[in-house]
Amino acid sequence: EDQVTQSPEALRLQEGESSSLNCSYTVSGLRGLFWYRQDPGKGPEFLFTLYSAGEEKEKERLKATLTKKESFLHITAPKPEDSATYLCAVQSLEDSSYKLIFGSGTRLLVRP
Amino acid sequence: EPEVTQTPSHQVTQMGQEVILRCVPISNHLYFYWYRQILGQKVEFLVSFYNNEISEKSEIFDDQFSVERPDGSNFTLKIRSTKLEDSAMYFCASRGQGGFEAFFGQGTRLTVV
Repeated sequence: EDQVTQSPEALRLQEGESSSLNCSYTVSGLRGLFWYRQDPGKGPEFLFTLYSAGEEKEKERLKATLTKKESFLHITAPKPEDSATYLCAVQSLEDSSYKLIFGSGTRLLVRP
Repeated sequence: EPEVTQTPSHQVTQMGQEVILRCVPISNHLYFYWYRQILGQKVEFLVSFYNNEISEKSEIFDDQFSVERPDGSNFTLKIRSTKLEDSAMYFCASRGQGGFEAFFGQGTRLTVV
């Protein structure tokens, strides 16, 4: 069964304190791994797609990396506006509907 | 920037009543999805829709649920007889022909009382 596990569940950082969020996955052939940001009461906002081990994507203070078993979302010098829940999701190569299997997310709070 | 639009943002309904949640996907997208998120839980896949038919549905998507694309722009989710456990955020998403990523709407919060 395809599965996504994210850690930690919650993370509190001081502004400027860099850290990483982890997403480990089990999937029958990875088509893609996706990172989304979700603000309270809102829908997931697309951040990155990663397709193969070794790939990296960057956007402002965020960098996503991928290995064969996990992905990391590195947050460099975060600001309070980076506070949100970060969701990881996978798509299986065996899935013709291209549906997303989500993890439970990491709630990030950045304090000024 | 194109976006997925959902209405209403919040709906309160009596148990046993029918509800219709509405979505306008991104205009040139061909693949449409409904997901739901019960408070404090994961985002869960409900159904995918392509070429005017369901391409996959989850175990959650039982006979009480249906989807429709009544015209060229709207995509709806109907729950025929709502239950308390249907209370959740419902998200519509759409995907373009050339990409794997799905873009989500802001959701409809459904409260069944």
